[in-house]
Amino acid sequence: ELKVEQNPLFLSMQEGKNYTIYCNYSTTSDRLYWYRQDPGKSLESLFVLLSNGAVKQEGRLMASLDTKARLSTLHITAAVHDLSATYFCAVDLYNNNDMRFGAGTRLTVKP
Amino acid sequence: NAGVTQTPKFQVLKTGQSMTLQCAQDMNHEYMSWYRQDPGMGLRLIHYSVGAGITDQGEVPNGYNVSRSTTEDFPLRLLSAAPSQTSVYFCASSTRTGRAGGYTFGSGTRLTVV
Repeated sequence: ELKVEQNPLFLSMQEGKNYTIYCNYSTTSDRLYWYRQDPGKSLESLFVLLSNGAVKQEGRLMASLDTKARLSTLHITAAVHDLSATYFCAVDLYNNNDMRFGAGTRLTVKP
Repeated sequence: NAGVTQTPKFQVLKTGQSMTLQCAQDMNHEYMSWYRQDPGMGLRLIHYSVGAGITDQGEVPNGYNVSRSTTEDFPLRLLSAAPSQTSVYFCASSTRTGRAGGYTFGSGTRLTVV
C-alpha cells in the first residue's frame, strides 16, 4: 500500500528563518508534485519533479527529489508572512496518474 | 480560458438523496480526476479518467460513480448520500502524464449530508 508521509504536519516559523518540509513515500514513483492551498481555496501547483535529483526553485521555495531514498524536500528560505498556507506533496502511484497526497503541512509564518 | 469549472460550490443533501457534481475543463486535457478532502487527511482520489470512455477507481471509490462521455466533462454521482460523504470535493485535470505543469484543480464543492 502506498503511503505518503509529510512532516511536520504543523510548522510555525518566524519571518526570515529557514526550514524544510519532508515528504516520504513508500513505493516506486518518479513523479512528485508540490501544491499550495490557502484556507478555503483550491490547490495551486508549485513544483513538478520528474526524475531523480530534480531540483526546482521559485522565489523563496526550493523543491528536490531523491527517488532512491523515496524522499522529497521543500525548503523555505527567509520565510515571509505571504508563505503562510498548507503545503501538500503528492506522488503519482506507479507513474500511472493515480495520485496520492500527503496529509499536508500547515505553515504559519509570524512577523 | 476558464480552466476547471466545478458546480455547485455548496450543496446540502439529506441522507439517501442522490446528486451529481459537475466538472468541466476547457484545456483539452486527457486526464481528469475527483478527490475528496477531509480535515487532517489530505486529498484522497475517488475516481479518475485517462480519456473519454475510460474510467478507473482510486483510493476511495465506494458510493460514487463516474462516466466520461466527452473529453471536457467528468461528472461525479453520489448514488445514495451518507453523512460520511460530507467533505470538500475537488476535480482536477492535466495532460496525460501531468508533466507539463502539474494538475489544475477546480475551486471545489463543499458538500454537507445531513
